[in-house]
Amino acid sequence: KAGVTQTPRYLIKTRGQQVTLSCSPISGHRSVSWYQQTPGQGLQFLFEYFSETQRNKGNFPGRFSGRQFSNSRSEMNVSTLELGDSALYLCASRPELHSGGTDTQYFGPGTRLTVL
Amino acid sequence: GDSVTQMEGPVTLSEEAFLTINCTYTATGYPSLFWYVQYPGEGLQLLLKATKADDKGSNKGFEATYRKETTSFHLEKGSVQVSDSAVYFCALSASNTGNQFYFGTGTSLTVIP
Repeated sequence: KAGVTQTPRYLIKTRGQQVTLSCSPISGHRSVSWYQQTPGQGLQFLFEYFSETQRNKGNFPGRFSGRQFSNSRSEMNVSTLELGDSALYLCASRPELHSGGTDTQYFGPGTRLTVL
Repeated sequence: GDSVTQMEGPVTLSEEAFLTINCTYTATGYPSLFWYVQYPGEGLQLLLKATKADDKGSNKGFEATYRKETTSFHLEKGSVQVSDSAVYFCALSASNTGNQFYFGTGTSLTVIP
């Protein structure tokens, strides 16, 4: 099976612009989560989508949004970019086969966003 | 709420040294515990996991035992290699918190020849 794919891999934007990142989960996986990784803050949870519905949400401003399509592919959008949004954005998927929290989360390679 | 605490890094070891990276957790339910590894320029990869108390996860010479009495899941390897240089993340997931993953801050390991 193909792994989690993220596009684009690298992105450079300027302050005030908006950006959309895309994630294709492993085939058959219905849960997609997004994380922001920075040297100072580490790995921070943005949100999780399951069956096109946002199920969990981290502590990020409303400029960060996401959605999931019927084929489980997901996008996240960041509006009005700030310098501090420069980070590696990671997407992860899991199958949701087990309700007991035992499913492994599989990560994509990330999108490196640089805001100038 | 649920959380994971990892030992601070960075950690620098000589090749063939013994590695321990401490991880403790706080959880209201019965979590599954994970160790992920991130090599430079890549996403996170699952290293090992344990889904119940006293389970031992192992992979590539790394081991970790789920200790409920001490709420710990320490990562160990008997003899590290230069190729083990990476950042290691401890994480938990539990059904009572919607299966959300909680990650530690990561521990950077550098192995020198």
